[in-house]
Amino acid sequence: QKEVEQNSGPLSVPEGAIASLNCTYSDRGSQSFFWYRQYSGKSPELIMFIYSNGDKEDGRFTAQLNKASQYVSLLIRDSQPSDSATYLCAVYIIQGAQKLVFGQGTRLTINP
Amino acid sequence: EAGVVQSPRYKIIEKKQPVAFWCNPISGHNTLYWYLQNLGQGPELLIRYENEEAVDDSQLPKDRFSAERLKGVDSTLKIQPAELGDSAVYLCASSLRGGSTYEQYFGPGTRLTVT
Repeated sequence: QKEVEQNSGPLSVPEGAIASLNCTYSDRGSQSFFWYRQYSGKSPELIMFIYSNGDKEDGRFTAQLNKASQYVSLLIRDSQPSDSATYLCAVYIIQGAQKLVFGQGTRLTINP
Repeated sequence: EAGVVQSPRYKIIEKKQPVAFWCNPISGHNTLYWYLQNLGQGPELLIRYENEEAVDDSQLPKDRFSAERLKGVDSTLKIQPAELGDSAVYLCASSLRGGSTYEQYFGPGTRLTVT
């Protein structure tokens, strides 16, 4: 089982709709979770982090964390074509070597 | 505030040649990371520095890769000799401190092509 798993997509969403990106992780003791956005040919850009169960909102972005289910998600409301990118879920793993572990990313396309 | 700076942005070398990448972290950030990103994959940690000390280099292929962070600021990652499979993007990141609650910020990366 991979430490951090994401559906690689592509996920296609119409403009103005809600895009929902999901991530599961294996380390039950993990406490810190991050979402990065990566445009093609660019480096990852941090857009959200969440440490507590529940929802965290920042503008059009909402991160959701359910530690019991070992599940974290990112919702993008009112999706724009500029949101088209790969979204990387990252989990700070504390079992063994403590480090940030990334999923393979979900490629999101917003269709005008 | 300037972000993480990396150079060069692109590098093409022949196999068996040496190559070096340079990184300057965000000012005041004590922790520096080198990651490797293959196409279609997320970044994978190679080495983490806390100031001058390499505190996690378990994923660094030490037979050909080396890194240093003299004076606890800039860092250099070297590959000697390079192999075809080393073609990837090498990302540097920094955070204020190490640990789970400090966000990591990435530089633009160096895209290495080994021919």
